[in-house]
Amino acid sequence: KAGVTQTPRYLIKTRGQQVTLSCSPISGHRSVSWYQQTPGQGLQFLFEYFSETQRNKGNFPGRFSGRQFSNSRSEMNVSTLELGDSALYLCASKPRGSTDTQYFGPGTRLTVL
Amino acid sequence: QKEVEQDPGPLSVPEGAIVSLNCTYSNSAFQYFMWYRQYSRKGPELLMYTYSSGNKEDGRFTAQVDKSSKYISLFIRDSQPSDSATYLCAPSNSGYALNFGKGTSLLVTP
Repeated sequence: KAGVTQTPRYLIKTRGQQVTLSCSPISGHRSVSWYQQTPGQGLQFLFEYFSETQRNKGNFPGRFSGRQFSNSRSEMNVSTLELGDSALYLCASKPRGSTDTQYFGPGTRLTVL
Repeated sequence: QKEVEQDPGPLSVPEGAIVSLNCTYSNSAFQYFMWYRQYSRKGPELLMYTYSSGNKEDGRFTAQVDKSSKYISLFIRDSQPSDSATYLCAPSNSGYALNFGKGTSLLVTP
């Protein structure tokens, strides 16, 4: 079974731009979560989507948004990029329940100049 | 105070050593305790998953939870160079990880 895939793997943007990252979960998984990982703050939860609805949200500003499509694929968008948004953005999927094991993708490395 | 504290290391040990990785947390509602391993340029993968207090063993890995002191540990016996990675603890009050430690970088040298 194919794992979680994320595109693109690397991205360079400038301040003020916006960016869209994509995540394809493992086939059959309906829950997709997004995380931001930085050396200073570690791994932080952004939000979770389940059946196209946001089920949980972390403590990030409204510039960070996401959505999930009917095929469970998910996108996250960051508007008005700031230097501090430079990070590894990870997507994780799981079948459905809160106690299901989640599987992470390799991440998208975003650099904001 | 951050909800989860973890010494970032790096921790360097010789092959065959016993490794002890630790985290402390502040939220007494946490009931699920997870350890993830993250290799360079990869996403984290779930290594161990325990519920409530006590020990859980899986091969060379043992996870230990002391809820009274809000302290969680991961022990690796007979460490191997392939264990070189970053280890993240993730206590939770639901079944999935929302709060991660910053991770401890481990290097096992041959």
